[in-house]
Amino acid sequence: QQQVKQSPQSLIVQKGGISIINCAYENTAFDYFPWYQQFPGKGPALLIAIRPDVSEKKEGRFTISFNKSAKQFSLHIMDSQPGDSATYFCAASIRGATNKLIFGTGTLLAVQP
Amino acid sequence: DGGITQSPKYLFRKEGQNVTLSCEQNLNHDAMYWYRQDPGQGLRLIYYSQIVNDFQKGDIAEGYSVSREKKESFPLTVTSAQKNPTAFYLCASSTPGREDTQYFGPGTRLTVL
Repeated sequence: QQQVKQSPQSLIVQKGGISIINCAYENTAFDYFPWYQQFPGKGPALLIAIRPDVSEKKEGRFTISFNKSAKQFSLHIMDSQPGDSATYFCAASIRGATNKLIFGTGTLLAVQP
Repeated sequence: DGGITQSPKYLFRKEGQNVTLSCEQNLNHDAMYWYRQDPGQGLRLIYYSQIVNDFQKGDIAEGYSVSREKKESFPLTVTSAQKNPTAFYLCASSTPGREDTQYFGPGTRLTVL
């Protein structure tokens, strides 16, 4: 119940295309869903996050879509650029609980020029 | 510059030796975390601390130990009891009231020979 399942494991997208990464969870107590971006040899950095009271959040080219009934959320990267090539992790947590983020297994995105 | 410092970036140790990884933050964050990252497995929580002189085990604490004597510092010791210590180790911190947003250091890659 504590798992967050992420797919695909890797993704290749052409420059200008849309990158889509999906995550699913079981624990309905989760109420915070962030996405982290990690470049090789670096620590992850918070990219965008959503709470279950909204179905979509957009920040620039990055959009989170959230489907509470299906217990799924996804990251969409519009107009993907080579600089977006990185590993993306979804995560989930219960706010105010143990402060523990449960991470997905990551998606390695390669955007080809 | 405010941030999280991890040292060293690369660390090599012989099997059977204990090794301590450093993590320092000047963000004035109360909470600090240690994660282990392995290919295809995402980030797994080793230990976390919400306040000085207190810490809790995460999901994979066996073979690891921590201390939290100062707010700024949260060192991780990888003991000889850890069966597969070769990995990328990440330290993170978070601020009161925003525990679900974690800020990561650059990581330490530990290789046990």
